Amino acid sequence: SQKIEQNSEALNIQEGKTATLTCNYTNYSPAYLQWYRQDPGRGPVFLLLIRENEKEKRKERLKVTFDTTLKQSLFHITASQPADSATYLCALAGNQFYFGTGTSLTVIP
Amino acid sequence: NAGVTQTPKFQVLKTGQSMTLQCAQDMNHEYMSWYRQDPGMGLRLIHYSVGAGITDQGEVPNGYNVSRSTTEDFPLRLLSAAPSQTSVYFCASRFDRGLGSTGYTFGSGTRLTVV
Repeated sequence: SQKIEQNSEALNIQEGKTATLTCNYTNYSPAYLQWYRQDPGRGPVFLLLIRENEKEKRKERLKVTFDTTLKQSLFHITASQPADSATYLCALAGNQFYFGTGTSLTVIP
Repeated sequence: NAGVTQTPKFQVLKTGQSMTLQCAQDMNHEYMSWYRQDPGMGLRLIHYSVGAGITDQGEVPNGYNVSRSTTEDFPLRLLSAAPSQTSVYFCASRFDRGLGSTGYTFGSGTRLTVV
């Protein structure tokens, strides 16, 4: 069965720094990899996706990389702000959808 | 544009009771799904639908039924509630019918407790 691993530990960073979150997977070849943000008590919110044949995707302060050889995606938030504090989920998307358990990010002022 | 609307937001059931969680979307999305989210388990797919009249099972379908009579509505029925069904339930929809080329729009969730 497929397995998705995100940073198991919560991530704390200083405001203004770049946050880097990791998503590793096995036993699956997704056509797309998606990233979501989830705030406490709310549903996940879609942020951006990257295709299997793309190496990098950017959206404002967000950057996602996708290495199908390593089976890994990195999610970067540059110039982080306290408002970026949330849990971030990665999802493998293809014929099936599989979500990771998420990484909790706290940006300290 | 309301997106995905779920009701109720909170519910407490006794073991053995049945209930229906409502979900409606106004984005004309063909694909709709129900997930449950448990601590340390991530989001797990219960049932999904690729269009009106078409439903299929996901990863954890036991104890749940769905139907899709219209594009907009996708209710989830708990047949006989069990404590193991205590969870947060999310309805989600997306534009594409496969391959994940678009992101999900999630509802705000239903927090269900079975005692």
